[in-house]
Amino acid sequence: GAGVSQSPSNKVTEKGKDVELRCDPISGHTALYWYRQSLGQGLEFLIYFQGNSAPDKSGLPSDRFSAERTGGSVSTLTIQRTQQEDSAVYLCASSLDAWGGGDHTDTQYFGPGTRLTVL
Amino acid sequence: AQSVTQPDIHITVSEGASLELRCNYSYGATPYLFWYVQSPGQGLQLLLKYFSGDTLVQGIKGFEAEFKRSQSSFNLRKPSVHWSDAAEYFCAGLAGGGNKLTFGTGTQLKVEL
Repeated sequence: GAGVSQSPSNKVTEKGKDVELRCDPISGHTALYWYRQSLGQGLEFLIYFQGNSAPDKSGLPSDRFSAERTGGSVSTLTIQRTQQEDSAVYLCASSLDAWGGGDHTDTQYFGPGTRLTVL
Repeated sequence: AQSVTQPDIHITVSEGASLELRCNYSYGATPYLFWYVQSPGQGLQLLLKYFSGDTLVQGIKGFEAEFKRSQSSFNLRKPSVHWSDAAEYFCAGLAGGGNKLTFGTGTQLKVEL
């Protein structure tokens, strides 16, 4: 497809289990972002990948959260030892690039999200 | 600190009426500004964006937004609302040279038939 895709669309897990969320960015987009949308916190930035540069992990809420981007394309967000407060919708976005040039290449396009419920 | 504020949590309008959703920003320099729409269970769809130049930007679905530097605002407008416009609308800012979108808290739009 032409857009950002995410899987699974819904994930229900038990507290303490690990989960992996997947994101396929738009083909050719070099920048990839993860955001979290929760009732109490709204939309929050988690992590950002740009090409082969070191990722910006400044938004990750704890060391239980990690992400990888293999081959400059697909990304996986992993949450270890899930807690109930991790319940949220996890949104992935991609952009053509993210060098702050102030043009359309900075525009972020979002996937449909993964709704995570931790019981 | 960078912030985007949407003062209205909920707005209800009648179908066919005009709409204005408010957005204010606080950045050291003029940010890039975006409006996204989210329907229930869906991701964020880009409506329009402002980088520079013309302060009135046109978007999809008949929406437009006007950037006003003097008021630090980027309000979204539509002359005639359709029932299918009912959704949640998010204003977002991106600092020049940055990569993290800062979102407002969203405005839930209800359209009465």
